[in-house]
Amino acid sequence: KAGVTQTPRYLIKTRGQQVTLSCSPISGHRSVSWYQQTPGQGLQFLFEYFSETQRNKGNFPGRFSGRQFSNSRSEMNVSTLELGDSALYLCASSVVTGGDTGELFFGEGSRLTVL
Amino acid sequence: GESVGLHLPTLSVQEGDNSIINCAYSNSASDYFIWYKQESGKGPQFIIDIRSNMDKRQGQRVTVLLNKTVKHLSLQIAATQPGDSAVYFCAEGGFQKLVFGTGTRLLVSP
Repeated sequence: KAGVTQTPRYLIKTRGQQVTLSCSPISGHRSVSWYQQTPGQGLQFLFEYFSETQRNKGNFPGRFSGRQFSNSRSEMNVSTLELGDSALYLCASSVVTGGDTGELFFGEGSRLTVL
Repeated sequence: GESVGLHLPTLSVQEGDNSIINCAYSNSASDYFIWYKQESGKGPQFIIDIRSNMDKRQGQRVTVLLNKTVKHLSLQIAATQPGDSAVYFCAEGGFQKLVFGTGTRLLVSP
């Protein structure tokens, strides 16, 4: 079974631009979460989607948004990029259908560099 | 690898030794705890989890201990191997929202 796939793996943007990152979860997984990983702040939760609905959101500004499609694939968007947005963006999927916490399977991430 | 903290606490062990990685969590209401391993250039990989109604859980070569009184979690790795070299994160949470610790770098020398 294929794992979580994230595209692109690496990208470089300049301040003020916007970026869209894509995540394809493991087949059958309906929950997709996004995390930001930086050396200074570590791994921080961005948001979680289930059945095209955002169920939970972390403490990030409104420039960070996401969505989930009917096939469970998810995208996240960051608008008006700032230097501090440079990070590894990780997507994780889970098979959990209810409110319980299940094992998260992470992709290898999209490394964003903002110049 | 290059994405994790530059000043992570580091545990250096010899191959074959047992390793103990510690973690203090912040939310006394958390009822679910997980340990993840992150190798260089890869996303975090699930190792083992434990719920708050337990104080110990064992997996293959790994044991997680939970002390709710002092909000402390530990991961024990038996017979540590060079392939265990990675950054280890504890996480707490629920409902698909995890709060990760800062991580510990484990270095295993042959």
